[in-house]
Amino acid sequence: NAGVMQNPRHLVRRRGQEARLRCSPMKGHSHVYWYRQLPEEGLKFMVYLQKENIIDESGMPKERFSAEFPKEGPSILRIQQVVRGDSAAYFCASSPSGQGVYQPQHFGDGTRLSIL
Amino acid sequence: DQQVKQNSPSLSVQEGRISILNCDYTNSMFDYFLWYKKYPAEGPTFLISISSIKDKNEDGRFTVFLNKSAKHLSLHIVPSQPGDSAVYFCAAKTNSGYALNFGKGTSLLVTP
Repeated sequence: NAGVMQNPRHLVRRRGQEARLRCSPMKGHSHVYWYRQLPEEGLKFMVYLQKENIIDESGMPKERFSAEFPKEGPSILRIQQVVRGDSAAYFCASSPSGQGVYQPQHFGDGTRLSIL
Repeated sequence: DQQVKQNSPSLSVQEGRISILNCDYTNSMFDYFLWYKKYPAEGPTFLISISSIKDKNEDGRFTVFLNKSAKHLSLHIVPSQPGDSAVYFCAAKTNSGYALNFGKGTSLLVTP
């Protein structure tokens, strides 16, 4: 499967625990984006990363949320001390690098996070 | 603030007819627009896009129209097929930005 891979597909955590969501971009893509979708809402941008760099984190909550995209391995979205309001679907997208014609972002199937 | 608006939460169309999904935006800095299709429990799938320098883009059964003066775009699907039943999201980005701004989606049901 050459698409964007996210795991786990479903994650259940109790309040106060940590949640780690992983994303492997499409082959050849070096740009990763994270979005969150609350029930009955559209997707909301959280963060944009390239390898080892956070480019734009304007959509990330200021506390408890962090993201990384290391040189080796998948991108990780980390939520510390989860609260009920963190329950949502978290989608990762990737796109190729380079200049020129805009390349659309391609999405994974998401991680559905449920907080008990 | 919701910069991309899809005012119809749902739409029902008969198979073979035209489906028209609408989208309005408020940010005049948006210069690229995309439509994504989403099935339950799956991620959004890119469908078609249009740059602000164009007013129409066509790909098979799908055509997107852009009216910059009205800040409005629409997706036409003709002929509609039952497999087109899904939620359709309109998204937009600025020239200098990376983030896609999404509408809340329109749920399309194509009935046989």
